[in-house]
Amino acid sequence: DVKVTQSSRYLVKRTGEKVFLECVQDMDHENMFWYRQDPGLGLRLIYFSYDVKMKEKGDIPEGYSVSREKKERFSLILESASTNQTSMYLCASSSLAPTSYNEQFFGPGTRLTVL
Amino acid sequence: AQRVTQPEKLLSVFKGAPVELKCNYSYSGSPELFWYVQYSRQRLQLLLRHISRESIKGFTADLNKGETSFHLKKPFAQEEDSAMYYCALGGSYIPTFGRGTSLIVHP
Repeated sequence: DVKVTQSSRYLVKRTGEKVFLECVQDMDHENMFWYRQDPGLGLRLIYFSYDVKMKEKGDIPEGYSVSREKKERFSLILESASTNQTSMYLCASSSLAPTSYNEQFFGPGTRLTVL
Repeated sequence: AQRVTQPEKLLSVFKGAPVELKCNYSYSGSPELFWYVQYSRQRLQLLLRHISRESIKGFTADLNKGETSFHLKKPFAQEEDSAMYYCALGGSYIPTFGRGTSLIVHP
């Protein structure tokens, strides 16, 4: 059973702080993703990674960076948090194996509030 | 470019009524379609995928390539079906999600 865990369920930060969101998966998946989930906007891809130290921008990368030093861990970094980054952040992983059909496995989410 | 459209933000029905959540897609290649569901206070999880042609929790979805649709259907809605539903398009390894439809099933 795939397990994707995120370091915090709830986080409150102040404008200008540097924020780290951590995600760990235990199924040796190659792909990892960070999404924002906002009402009426659905899931929007921030960044994804298909291998260690590899990253690609998604649809809304501005104001974010990522790090993938180990296969199982994918970190999302807000260099200087702003109020418009208040959101639910979802991490996901998927396998490159053809039999996976690109199914994604999601973490529980981190609800970030920036004051 | 990949695109997924879920035209309804909210769908409200009574228990026992049929449900159809619409999903249309745009993709030039061979599509892989999924429905994901998020129940209150739970993580987003796969409900079903077109390749499996299965029925999960009474839900089915048929891929119609002519109409580029993958609508989710259930003949008799239950209260426990109340959730947020997302249609997703694969094909590349980066899925594209629709904006989601909130289904509310009233007793």
